[in-house]
Amino acid sequence: TQLLEQSPQFLSIQEGENLTVYCNSSSVFSSLQWYRQEPGEGPVLLVTVVTGGEVKKLKRLTFQFGDARKDSSLHITAAQPGDTGLYLCAGGNAGGTSYGKLTFGQGTILTVHP
Amino acid sequence: SAVISQKPSRDICQRGTSLTIQCQVDSQVTMMFWYRQQPGQSLTLIATANQGSEATYESGFVIDKFPISRPNLTFSTLTVSNMSPEDSSIYLCSVAPLQGFGANVLTFGAGSRLTVL
Repeated sequence: TQLLEQSPQFLSIQEGENLTVYCNSSSVFSSLQWYRQEPGEGPVLLVTVVTGGEVKKLKRLTFQFGDARKDSSLHITAAQPGDTGLYLCAGGNAGGTSYGKLTFGQGTILTVHP
Repeated sequence: SAVISQKPSRDICQRGTSLTIQCQVDSQVTMMFWYRQQPGQSLTLIATANQGSEATYESGFVIDKFPISRPNLTFSTLTVSNMSPEDSSIYLCSVAPLQGFGANVLTFGAGSRLTVL
């Protein structure tokens, strides 16, 4: 069974601060996604990383996939109250029986105070 | 990406009753997935709903408790049977319309929040 350990579970910061969320596993994943979820909504995809060492930027968000494809990080620069939400990492594998089956981390509840 | 409509959005149910959640997609998709999420926590895959065949259940989930229907390529239902307070969760329908790496890029419905008293 593949597991994803996500940390920290809770983050409460002031507007303008930087933060990093980590996602670690002992297993290799073909791809890793980061989702953001707001109350009353389903998770919404932020990014997918598929290559070891890959770095993707989405405005103030920087995502990195570890060289061995076992870990990932999400870094937010100058956090804003609109960044508040639940952040989830999810690992996936290629291949027929793995189609659509993601292993999710425990989630990080981020609160950014004005 | 696909647009998913789920209903009910929330419900309060009595112990021992059953509730059926509906999931409608605006495009045809081969496979649909049902996830469960404890409020504010992670998602766990319940089963994969295949059109024209029985659903495939993950470890810890059984058909008698969570029967699934998939009558066509745009619709699926999940029933939570004989509910207990431990079934209080958010149930999410999702699809992955593409093959290859896109197969792991899920689009989710807004979820159905069930509270069992």
